[in-house]
Amino acid sequence: AAGVIQSPRHLIKEKRETATLKCYPISRHDTVYWYQQGPGQDPQFLISFYEKMQSDKGSIPDRFSAQQFSDYHSELNMSSLELGDSALYFCASSLGGPKNTEAFFGQGTRLTVV
Amino acid sequence: GQQLNQSPQSMFIQEGEDVSMNCTSSSIFNTWLWYKQDPGEGPVLLIALYKAGELTSNGRLTAQFGITRKDSFLNISASIPSDVGIYFCAGQLGNAGNMLTFGGGTRLMVKP
Repeated sequence: AAGVIQSPRHLIKEKRETATLKCYPISRHDTVYWYQQGPGQDPQFLISFYEKMQSDKGSIPDRFSAQQFSDYHSELNMSSLELGDSALYFCASSLGGPKNTEAFFGQGTRLTVV
Repeated sequence: GQQLNQSPQSMFIQEGEDVSMNCTSSSIFNTWLWYKQDPGEGPVLLIALYKAGELTSNGRLTAQFGITRKDSFLNISASIPSDVGIYFCAGQLGNAGNMLTFGGGTRLMVKP
């Protein structure tokens, strides 16, 4: 079965530009999470959605926004990019609801801001 | 901030040796997950633990969920070169939805 698909895999942007990252969850998964991982760091939670509604919010800057669409795919929109936004961005998906379940990660998008 | 303390941060081992790493927390987690991450790739789920005291195996991997729900360990038996990578523990707090809090990672390096 196909895993979590993220696009693009690599992205280079200039400071103050905008970027959109896309995530397609595993089939039938209704929960999507976004994580940011800096070099040598552990993944940091940004935001999550369950059934197209925001469910949790972590350390996501105000310059970033995200949403989950009717087909459960999600997009992370990043504006006014800064050099410090350069990182690996991971999307993960799971079957949501009140029961804790396993989250499966995509291969990530490497964003480089120059 | 980071709530999970993972140790060791890195380790060199001889091929064939057994490996042990652990995570501790001041918070109680409902679920513990162990992931392996290769450079530039996404974390791959290895083992999920749901019950206090649970011991689960996946091939050469064995993980246990502590009785207090504040710790977990991962053992790798008979290590091989492809075990190289970064291993992360991650916990889910039941009252915070399904978001994962990650430990700092253990970088495993194997001497051939």
